[in-house]
Amino acid sequence: KQEVTQIPAALSVPEGENLVLNCSFTDSAIYNLQWFRQDPGKGLTSLLLIQSSQREQTSGRLNASLDKSSGRSTLYIAASQPGDSATYLCAAMNNAGNMLTFGGGTRLMVKP
Amino acid sequence: NAGVTQTPKFRVLKTGQSMTLLCAQDMNHEYMYWYRQDPGMGLRLIHYSVGEGTTAKGEVPDGYNVSRLKKQNFLLGLESAAPSQTSVYFCASSYVRGGRIEQFFGPGTRLTVL
Repeated sequence: KQEVTQIPAALSVPEGENLVLNCSFTDSAIYNLQWFRQDPGKGLTSLLLIQSSQREQTSGRLNASLDKSSGRSTLYIAASQPGDSATYLCAAMNNAGNMLTFGGGTRLMVKP
Repeated sequence: NAGVTQTPKFRVLKTGQSMTLLCAQDMNHEYMYWYRQDPGMGLRLIHYSVGEGTTAKGEVPDGYNVSRLKKQNFLLGLESAAPSQTSVYFCASSYVRGGRIEQFFGPGTRLTVL
């Protein structure tokens, strides 16, 4: 059974810092890995999706990498802003393409 | 495009009552999913559907039923609600295109069972 872990569970940084969020998964046979953002009381917003054959994806100040062999993905946020404060979730899709397994999330606070 | 919408946004039930949560998507997506999110447990898949008229069990299906009579709608039913079903329920849909499957989520339904 796939297990997805995110470390740290919470992170507080001053505005302007570059930061890295970590995601690890136990079964490397994944279809893709997706990073989401969740604001309090809201749904999930898709940030980046990395196919199993890809190593990284970038969108604006966000860069996500994937290392299937080691079961790890990282989300890099450059020049953090208070508006980046949210919970960030990673999720691994199984090879059949019909199930996402989520990590517990990293709650990020960016202080002005 | 409204994306993925969920009805209702909030609901309070008494133990033993039944209800149906409605999910609708206007993106012509093939796949649809129901998740629940609980503190300390993260998001867990309840049921999913890979097309109109087909459904399958996810990780935590007990106590729930689903139906997908139309491609754009996915219904989640609770026949006899229990306090353990107090949770936030999220619906999602995904396209399947060129080997790429990306899920998009609705805003959630907060359900309390007393």
